[in-house]
Amino acid sequence: QVQLVQSGGEVKKPGASVKVSCKASGYTFTTYGISWVRQAPGQGLEWMGWISAYNGNTNYAQKLQGRVTMTTDTSTSTAYMELRSLRSDDTAVYYCARDGFVLVTAMNDCWGQGTLVTVSS
Amino acid sequence: QSALTQPPSASGSPGQSVTISCTGTSSDVGNYNYVSWYQQHPGKAPKLMIYEVSKRPSGVPDRFSGSKSGNTASLTVSGLQAEDEADYYCSSYAGSNSCVFGTGTKVTVL
Repeated sequence: QVQLVQSGGEVKKPGASVKVSCKASGYTFTTYGISWVRQAPGQGLEWMGWISAYNGNTNYAQKLQGRVTMTTDTSTSTAYMELRSLRSDDTAVYYCARDGFVLVTAMNDCWGQGTLVTVSS
Repeated sequence: QSALTQPPSASGSPGQSVTISCTGTSSDVGNYNYVSWYQQHPGKAPKLMIYEVSKRPSGVPDRFSGSKSGNTASLTVSGLQAEDEADYYCSSYAGSNSCVFGTGTKVTVL
């Protein structure tokens, strides 16, 4: 079955970086893209950006430009999201979700289980 | 990109219907038929319930339906059941290969 499995929770200090992984199975990785979405405690969903697993094209939310990098490793069907210069308001559950491989479709039919990233001194 | 506007809460008794609105602009909801709806239970990942305004993925009950008029999309849950109690989020393609989510609506089954 189609599945996305994310790496475990992380605790980071302000100013540090975090890299979350998302391993896909049950489908051909390169025929889709991956969007990353985060959810701060008690808050709504926030779209962070998208990467095509087909050609590596990316598009990031404007507010995260310069701090976020999304990559894929097609040999292991894994997507990665790195967020740098962490602040306390980056504390959130981070989700990966399957998306279109050419364009964002806003149709995420499979989601990872979520990774809690806590930023605290 | 501003979040799409949803009412914070909605409620209904078992068997009744509830409709949730999702208001955007002519740059997102009003300009594209790429509106989706997600259901999220506490501590769980979101689940796709509606895509492309009104299409249901396989396995989603036909009690869930979607529509759009102008800059506002809507999700209707008919025949409310206890398990429908959850948070619901809309999302829309917003141009320039980006996406925007709604503010979320908590549905309570009375």
